[in-house]
Amino acid sequence: ETGVTQTPRHLVMGMTNKKSLKCEQHLGHNAMYWYKQSAKKPLELMFVYSLEERVENNSVPSRFSPECPNSSHLFLHLHTLQPEDSALYLCASSRLLETEAFFGQGTRLTVV
Amino acid sequence: GQNIDQPTEMTATEGAIVQINCTYQTSGFNGLFWYQQHAGEAPTFLSYNVLDGLEEKGRFSSFLSRSKGYSYLLLKELQMKDSASYLCAVRDSNYQLIWGAGTKLIIKP
Repeated sequence: ETGVTQTPRHLVMGMTNKKSLKCEQHLGHNAMYWYKQSAKKPLELMFVYSLEERVENNSVPSRFSPECPNSSHLFLHLHTLQPEDSALYLCASSRLLETEAFFGQGTRLTVV
Repeated sequence: GQNIDQPTEMTATEGAIVQINCTYQTSGFNGLFWYQQHAGEAPTFLSYNVLDGLEEKGRFSSFLSRSKGYSYLLLKELQMKDSASYLCAVRDSNYQLIWGAGTKLIIKP
């Protein structure tokens, strides 16, 4: 148990669906992250929030939309995804941007 | 471009020692991290190096040479539970983490 909780753990969605991934951290951290992890590839940083302000957006397609309502919660809204978006989506948090990150268990997303 | 290189897969024997190497080319350097990830689980933090030298933490040690752009993770007295992927990540001058693809370590009895 890392103190970072993601729901759901598994999600299957059609290309026309809209769904949201949720992340919650109980560590009092100030920074939160969304990563995409595909098989045999490096972790891809998608979004970074520090003190609820977005500080990084690595050219992620607009079909992924993050939301950080407070320092403990982070959402990733999904719509009109493509099959190549199927992957493990990991949320992480850190006390500061410079310190080590703690990861959630991830959401295994399958787009059909 | 920026990249992190580490072997895709390694095999070692229970009770032995294994060294997992990581070389990096990044725009600036603000620290190197090692994470462990068991199949289907979250990555967990193992070690952090920002200065040259060896950091020891129990059975695990991590070494850094900034001039060579090189690090290794040393695992001693291997146990079956050490079977996992080991991820190397470097924080660049913009404090962005650049990740390697991970090394899958297989431990055999």
